[in-house]
Amino acid sequence: EIVLTQSPATLSLSPGERATLSCRASQSVSIYLGWYQQKPGQAPRLLIFDASSRATGIPARFSGSGSGTDFTLTISSLEPEDFAVYYCQQRNNWPLTFGGGTRVEIK
Amino acid sequence: QVQLQESGPGLVKPSETLSLTCTVSGGSVTSGSYYWSWIRQPPGKGLEWIGYIYKSGSTKYNALFKSRVTISVDTSKEQFSLNLNSVTAEDTAVYYCARIDYGAYTHYFDSWGQGTLVTVSS
Repeated sequence: EIVLTQSPATLSLSPGERATLSCRASQSVSIYLGWYQQKPGQAPRLLIFDASSRATGIPARFSGSGSGTDFTLTISSLEPEDFAVYYCQQRNNWPLTFGGGTRVEIK
Repeated sequence: QVQLQESGPGLVKPSETLSLTCTVSGGSVTSGSYYWSWIRQPPGKGLEWIGYIYKSGSTKYNALFKSRVTISVDTSKEQFSLNLNSVTAEDTAVYYCARIDYGAYTHYFDSWGQGTLVTVSS
């Protein structure tokens, strides 16, 4: 199975700052990687699919990039509601797998 | 807008079968190109895909669970279900039901239930 490694484990930033989250795949997943946001006690929410496409209703401050094995989720300017855990997920190979998550916390 | 709601026992004994149901409202399990999935999240850990079912009844499972898992659909009740047998403490997790809208997002999960905690303990 494809292993997704997310870094850093925790990112401490202030509102208004730029967040850059990384997801690295154990083998190429082409562009078939997505990102989710999860807040405490809530289900995950799809943000980005196929590396760079925003899901319906997702603000433009969220953007994704990458291909092959290296992917990035960027939040251009953190809003208070963006402090959460972010997961990547690949759909290139079975089984569908998720990364271990990056927590974005308030500095 | 579709809503998903998990239901089932919150406590299961070791070696027994974990059974959960997901009720779909605001939509139908038979409409569109939707795959109905189960995903779990052990306490403090990441997400793990278990498997999914299509309206036709065809299924796909994570090989990690394949020998223990069955996902079924009841179109008359707008529900789909998860059975996981021979459970151990390692199966303790929040279990989510989720939808894949294949037409819009292929194999990403665009709608989720709130999740239900299942604890395996005697």
